Amino acid sequence: GAGVSQSPSNKVTEKGKDVELRCDPISGHTALYWYRQSLGQGLEFLIYFQGNSAPDKSGLPSDRFSAERTGGSVSTLTIQRTQQEDSAVYLCASTAGTPDQPQHFGDGTRLSIL
Amino acid sequence: GENVEQHPSTLSVQEGDSAVIKCTYSDSASNYFPWYKQELGKRPQLIIDIRSNVGEKKDQRIAVTLNKTAKHFSLHITETQPEDSAVYFCAAVARQLTFGSGTQLTVLP
Repeated sequence: GAGVSQSPSNKVTEKGKDVELRCDPISGHTALYWYRQSLGQGLEFLIYFQGNSAPDKSGLPSDRFSAERTGGSVSTLTIQRTQQEDSAVYLCASTAGTPDQPQHFGDGTRLSIL
Repeated sequence: GENVEQHPSTLSVQEGDSAVIKCTYSDSASNYFPWYKQELGKRPQLIIDIRSNVGEKKDQRIAVTLNKTAKHFSLHITETQPEDSAVYFCAAVARQLTFGSGTQLTVLP
């Protein structure tokens, strides 16, 4: 596609529910990143994919968070048993290959946990 | 791992003045330094980047300088305009991309 696409754009759910966030990177981009941004804060790295592999999962905050990528394209970030502190904007970015390429961001998913 | 520090966290300037944001990095292997602008409620967007074999790069009113010896790099915005108001993030890439904490720039009319 023309840019990185994320869905849903907004998600409101009750504490304890599971949520799935989707990222569709720019066509041909092999690297995909997930970040979390709390209100007024910086970009917190969560996980990085090169192809379908995740060489760096160091940023996942707990075992409630998981992510996968299939076909070297779409990625889903899953948060199980959501907590109120999970409320944030979840941003996805993709690059053409190595980390020293410009990252192209999606518009993010605004997640609100009630 | 890499550590990127960014200063100041907030910056207010009068329209037409210059703004400077500074970042330091810890990993001497870092070789790519992008800057992103994030307007309120919008996605971060790349505004300029520099590689380690270059000391300065300019794009109209925006310039970035890099001092590899001191391990710091800076963003310079000249003739600031209200639409420059945003959060600016620096970043450095060694093995992986690491972002600074951001600078909220406000351009006062």
